Amino acid sequence: TQLLEQSPQFLSIQEGENLTVYCNSSSVFSSLQWYRQEPGEGPVLLVTVVTGGEVKKLKRLTFQFGDARKDSSLHITAAQPGDTGLYLCAGEGWDDKIIFGKGTRLHILP
Amino acid sequence: DAGITQSPRHKVTETGTPVTLRCHQTENHRYMYWYRQDPGHGLRLIHYSYGVKDTDKGEVSDGYSVSRSKTEDFLLTLESATSSQTSVYFCAISTSGTVADTQYFGPGTRLTVL
Repeated sequence: TQLLEQSPQFLSIQEGENLTVYCNSSSVFSSLQWYRQEPGEGPVLLVTVVTGGEVKKLKRLTFQFGDARKDSSLHITAAQPGDTGLYLCAGEGWDDKIIFGKGTRLHILP
Repeated sequence: DAGITQSPRHKVTETGTPVTLRCHQTENHRYMYWYRQDPGHGLRLIHYSYGVKDTDKGEVSDGYSVSRSKTEDFLLTLESATSSQTSVYFCAISTSGTVADTQYFGPGTRLTVL
């Protein structure tokens, strides 16, 4: 079974700190996506990475796709309370359907 | 924001009753999806549609059926609801159906089966 494992499951840090969350698999993915979900809402796409080693930046968020295309990371610089939410990674499963990791729940304390 | 609405937004029902959830889009996207989200399991695909009357099963399709008679509407039916189907249900749409494509999610329906 293809899995996307996200770590940590929960993270609570102070405003202004930096953090990194991870999305790992034993399988190769053609692309990976990161979504953010706020309470009571549906997930919203942040980024799609498609090339091994690719780095994409979205303001204070930096996304990296591993060279072997089996893992990805999301780094947030100077976290703000508005970054609070559930961060989900997603990729194409063996049956060409999208699969999601279980998510990292991030809480930024003011 | 993508034009996706879900109805109802909340529902409480009893075991054994039929339940239908509706997803409506105004974007004319070809692909529509139903997911359920549960603690400890994340988002799991139930069924999806790649056109009017064209549907396929996802990872957790047992106990669910879907229908799509119009481009804009995708219905999810629980023929006989069970407590294990208590969950938050999300509809999503996309243009191409490839995983690298953006999926736009609706606001969700919280279903409680007593």
